[in-house]
Amino acid sequence: GAGVSQSPSNKVTEKGKDVELRCDPISGHTALYWYRQRLGQGLEFLIYFQGNSAPDKSGLPSDRFSAERTGESVSTLTIQRTQQEDSAVYLCASSSQGGGKAFFGQGTRLTVV
Amino acid sequence: GIQVEQSPPDLILQEGANSTLRCNFSDSVNNLQWFHQNPWGQLINLFYIPSGTKQNGRLSATTVATERYSLLYISSSQTTDSGVYFCAVENNRYNNNDMRFGAGTRLTVKP
Repeated sequence: GAGVSQSPSNKVTEKGKDVELRCDPISGHTALYWYRQRLGQGLEFLIYFQGNSAPDKSGLPSDRFSAERTGESVSTLTIQRTQQEDSAVYLCASSSQGGGKAFFGQGTRLTVV
Repeated sequence: GIQVEQSPPDLILQEGANSTLRCNFSDSVNNLQWFHQNPWGQLINLFYIPSGTKQNGRLSATTVATERYSLLYISSSQTTDSGVYFCAVENNRYNNNDMRFGAGTRLTVKP
């Protein structure tokens, strides 16, 4: 696609429910990043995919968080048993290669009530 | 992992003023990027600048990789420059080129 696309734009969920967030990277981009941004805060690294290499999961905050990517296309970030502290904007970025110029999607605003 | 520090944390300017934002990093980097997050939350890539100097209109950036810092210059600031400016670095010494961000500089330009 023309840019990085994330869906949904907004998600309100009840505490304890599971959620899936989706990221469509720019076509041909092999690198994909997920970040979490709490209100008024910076970007917290979650996970990085690069081609067929094993993903760097070092930023995932707990085992309730997981992410998948099929080849060099769509990625989904799953949060199980959501907690109020998971409320944040989840941002996805892609680049044409590891270390290349990165472009961000518009984010998914997650609210856990 | 690599540490990224940005200064100042907050900056208030009168429209038309110039400013310099700084990004220090704790280790060698493969690349460095500057982003602007507008008040609606969208992150825009301003510069991809692992070394040297680049200019884009009223903005320019310089990275001195050997001294582990980068500077973003904003000249003749406008109210639309308001937002948060982030520096992000990648270093494959630690983990696979994942991109790490500084805490940002929040810029407010007053008319």
